[in-house]
Amino acid sequence: GAGVSQSPRYKVAKRGQDVALRCDPISGHVSLFWYQQALGQGPEFLTYFQNEAQLDKSGLPSDRFFAERPEGSVSTLKIQRTQQEDSAVYLCASSFGTAYNEQFFGPGTRLTVL
Amino acid sequence: RKEVEQDPGPFNVPEGATVAFNCTYSNSASQSFFWYRQDCRKEPKLLMSVYSSGNEDGRFTAQLNRASQYISLLIRDSKLSDSATYLCAVPPNTNAGKSTFGDGTTLTVKP
Repeated sequence: GAGVSQSPRYKVAKRGQDVALRCDPISGHVSLFWYQQALGQGPEFLTYFQNEAQLDKSGLPSDRFFAERPEGSVSTLKIQRTQQEDSAVYLCASSFGTAYNEQFFGPGTRLTVL
Repeated sequence: RKEVEQDPGPFNVPEGATVAFNCTYSNSASQSFFWYRQDCRKEPKLLMSVYSSGNEDGRFTAQLNRASQYISLLIRDSKLSDSATYLCAVPPNTNAGKSTFGDGTTLTVKP
């Protein structure tokens, strides 16, 4: 079956531009997570949805970061006024159950801010 | 102290060797744990789940030591294809979403 998909796979933005990253979770998965991964580090939690409800957004680094999942399926992570320190791989993961369960990751979006 | 800590390595071992990595966690209330494998420039993929004292799957064994708050991953008879970064993950105890990942241990298996 289809796994988690993300688009675009690569994004180059000029500093100050807004970007939108999309995640299509595995069909039927209730939970959806966004992570930021810098080179040589593990994924850092950004935010978590259970269906359409955003239950935890404690990892969003600033108010420039916003995520939504309006119909409980596809999710979008938006970054406004991008900065160079936003350059990273943004990973989306989904889980059949809650945040306790194993997560299945998408291929990520590699964002480079110039 | 970080919530989840791993020895970054790299671990360089010959084919056929047995190698073990540890992952320490700070939250004594944590109940379950996961090991993920991440190849270079790829996404993490689930390798093993650890819910009680341990788990075994072929050449891979994960063990949990609650008293000392660490989990280990043992790989027997290493293959070239085992070369990757191994991440441990600690999910939340509540329905808050924050799973915490270590920074990974890099393994290179050489012929």
